Amino acid sequence: SQQGEEDPQALSIQEGENATMNCSYKTSINNLQWYRQNSGRGLVHLILIRSNEREKHSGRLRVTLDTSKKSSSLLITASRAADTASYFCATDAVSGNTPLVFGKGTRLSVIA
Amino acid sequence: EPEVTQTPSHQVTQMGQEVILRCVPISNHLYFYWYRQILGQKVEFLVSFYNNEISEKSEIFDDQFSVERPDGSNFTLKIRSTKLEDSAMYFCASKGQGLVEKLFFGSGTQLSVL
Repeated sequence: SQQGEEDPQALSIQEGENATMNCSYKTSINNLQWYRQNSGRGLVHLILIRSNEREKHSGRLRVTLDTSKKSSSLLITASRAADTASYFCATDAVSGNTPLVFGKGTRLSVIA
Repeated sequence: EPEVTQTPSHQVTQMGQEVILRCVPISNHLYFYWYRQILGQKVEFLVSFYNNEISEKSEIFDDQFSVERPDGSNFTLKIRSTKLEDSAMYFCASKGQGLVEKLFFGSGTQLSVL
């Protein structure tokens, strides 16, 4: 299975701190994407990193990808209470138009 | 910003009944998906649909499930005879042309099978 696995499962931090979430996967990928889900809502795309990229930034988000270790990390800097949500990584396999496969997610709580 | 819409937001049904979950993908998108999420668990792929046919499906998507794009705008998921374990949040998603693009998700339909 190419399924991504996030860790930790849950993370609780104070507002203003940085939050780091990790994702590991098993097979070769075209790209890896991070999504956010507010409680009871749909997933919202945050950022995509391609297999030939090592790092990408978008606002307060920083994503790294290490294809040799089959792992990625998502860093949220200067966290806010509004960042409280579940964060999922999703992998897009090399072979054909396969669907995105999501991990179990990291539940982030940012305490004001 | 364009969005994927799903109806109803909540559906309660009796075991053995048929349900149809409806989705309106973003209008110029070509790839359509159904995912589900049992409470507190991972988001699981069910089926993908392209060019008016199923392109891939998971083990979950058995003979009780079917999808249809009846009129060029709606995309439906039918469960013929619901089971208790079908209770979950069902998400529709779509994406545009090209293989490397993000998915746009709807807000989901919470299905409760009693």
